[in-house]
Amino acid sequence: EVQLLESGGGLEQPGGSLRLSCAASGFTFNNYAMNWVRQAPGKGLEWVSIISQSGDKTVYADSVKGRFTISRDNSRNTLYVQMNSLRAEDTAVYYCASTLGHKWEAFEIWGQGTMVIVSS
Amino acid sequence: IVLTQSPGTLSLSPGERATLSCRASQTVTSNFLAWYQQKPGQAPRLLIYGVSSRATGIPDRFSGSGSGTDFTLTISRLEPEDFAVYYCQQYGGSPAWTFGQGTKVEIK
Repeated sequence: EVQLLESGGGLEQPGGSLRLSCAASGFTFNNYAMNWVRQAPGKGLEWVSIISQSGDKTVYADSVKGRFTISRDNSRNTLYVQMNSLRAEDTAVYYCASTLGHKWEAFEIWGQGTMVIVSS
Repeated sequence: IVLTQSPGTLSLSPGERATLSCRASQTVTSNFLAWYQQKPGQAPRLLIYGVSSRATGIPDRFSGSGSGTDFTLTISRLEPEDFAVYYCQQYGGSPAWTFGQGTKVEIK
């Protein structure tokens, strides 16, 4: 079964840090670029970051640039995002999502999401 | 690129046709326009990519059309499981990936 499973969410104070993980199974992980997409409570979807299949290219949304770092370990079939200097506006469900095969135009496989709450 | 979806909410009955609109503030690069379905408490699901290509396992009652700045998702006959929120998404603008604000299709 094709699956993405996020973990690492929780409650963190403003200015703090969290590291999210996303474990992939059921597909060839290193064939897909991977993304983080977030959704604030009751709001729409916001793309956060992408990392290429090999990990040599990363792109970030302006809202997280300089604070978040995306990475991957293809030997462990796992995607990560290190989130530093957290702000209240980072509060959201964070989904990991694969691209559509080799095409970067859409997000095909999604995890169930992990909730991050930034609050004092 | 800003994507504006309309209407915000669509109230329809099962068996009816649903027409959802997505308008872009600039021409969408190479027609890289996708649609997603999201049910409460669930992750989004890819329905349509490249304006009109159905993703794997998506029934043919879902269809996409459009070009340039105006795009449409049509559900030919609503099934009970189709009542959800639908998002359009573009690739290639700045920022590279953006979503519309969503259209809720609710049971009338």
